[in-house]
Amino acid sequence: QVQLQESGPGLVKPSETLSLTCTVSGGSISSYHWSWIRQPPGKGLEWIGCFYYSGSTNYNPSLKSRITMSVDTSKSQLSLKLSSVAAADTAVYYCARASSRDYYGMDVWGHGTTVTVSS
Amino acid sequence: QSVLTQAPSASGTPGQRVTISCSGSSSNIGSNTVNWYQQLPGTAPKLLIYTNNQRPSGVPDRFSGSKSGTSASLAISGLQSGDEADYYCATWDDSLNGVVFGGGTKLSVL
Repeated sequence: QVQLQESGPGLVKPSETLSLTCTVSGGSISSYHWSWIRQPPGKGLEWIGCFYYSGSTNYNPSLKSRITMSVDTSKSQLSLKLSSVAAADTAVYYCARASSRDYYGMDVWGHGTTVTVSS
Repeated sequence: QSVLTQAPSASGTPGQRVTISCSGSSSNIGSNTVNWYQQLPGTAPKLLIYTNNQRPSGVPDRFSGSKSGTSASLAISGLQSGDEADYYCATWDDSLNGVVFGGGTKLSVL
């Protein structure tokens, strides 16, 4: 079955660009849609955006100007880049298998990777 | 401030039935399907109910979902201590053109 594993730097300085990777195993990355979700410490879930298997993307309007999502099919990896980070971007970041218009929900999640923004 | 509204907490005793509600609007719950997630302490969210009332394989039938108008509910019957978790509703929002989550409901089993 499909499994996801997020990875990232752990600590990022304010104003820098955060880069995260999600490695997909057990299935074809090209066959599904993929979302990123984050959860600040002690708070709820926030959808960041989605990369569709067509190659198109859809981003949370509140983050849109700072986000870039992409897929490297040769490595079976998703990528999330978030620019100009601030303390408010400190969170656990998850990748998940998604569905169009979230009709079927997000049925496979990674364990998450913790990102702290601090100088 | 979440687009979808959930009570921050709920509680019940073992064996009891509890309901968690999720309120939205015509641009989200009113026109799209609702999904529910369970997040046990220190773990990633897990899809519990999809497309309003469907259970993924492996989810006990003690968990059920429903939707009416611009609101949705998650019911848990035969409450167990292992059900202590945060529960989130989610759906697509046509105005925001993205997924929106409720603020989450922390369920305590007394």
